[in-house]
Amino acid sequence: DAGVTQSPTHLIKTRGQHVTLRCSPISGHKSVSWYQQVLGQGPQFIFQYYEKEERGRGNFPDRFSARQFPNYSSELNVNALLLGDSALYLCASSLDGTGKADTQYFGPGTRLTVL
Amino acid sequence: KNEVEQSPQNLTAQEGEFITINCSYSVGISALHWLQQHPGGGIVSLFMLSSGKKKHGRLIATINIQEKHSSLHITASHPRDSAVYICAVGTALIFGKGTTLSVSS
Repeated sequence: DAGVTQSPTHLIKTRGQHVTLRCSPISGHKSVSWYQQVLGQGPQFIFQYYEKEERGRGNFPDRFSARQFPNYSSELNVNALLLGDSALYLCASSLDGTGKADTQYFGPGTRLTVL
Repeated sequence: KNEVEQSPQNLTAQEGEFITINCSYSVGISALHWLQQHPGGGIVSLFMLSSGKKKHGRLIATINIQEKHSSLHITASHPRDSAVYICAVGTALIFGKGTTLSVSS
């Protein structure tokens, strides 16, 4: 079975542009979470979606948005890119995202560079 | 103060040594995760714990809910264990800053 997949692998944008990152969860998983990992730091929670509804949101500006589709895949959108948005963006999927008995499986990440 | 604290930040070991990485947290949790991240970014989930102890191969993870503390042990460490080990808690995961382990032969 395929694991969590993310696209693209790498991306270079300039300040002010918009970016869309994509994630496909493991088959059967209904929850997708997004994390931002700036170089040298631990990941930071951005969003969690379950059954197409936003279940949680981290401390990120409104320039960050996401959605989940009926097939449980997800997109993360970032508008008006800033240099500080340069990071590895990780997607993780889990069965139901309750956290109580629900391991998260991570994708390989999308490395975004903003120039 | 960070909600999840790991120690040590960096760890160097010789092949065969017993390794311990510690994690303390200040929030109430339903589960704690230990993750491994290799250079290049890929994260692998090693353990999810809500109580007691789990073992997988040479890796052992323990948690003390009352003391809000967990440890990850690696027995008979090997150079391929070199990676960043991250502790994370909660549903919307709160991550520690990670422990960078380097094992030399």
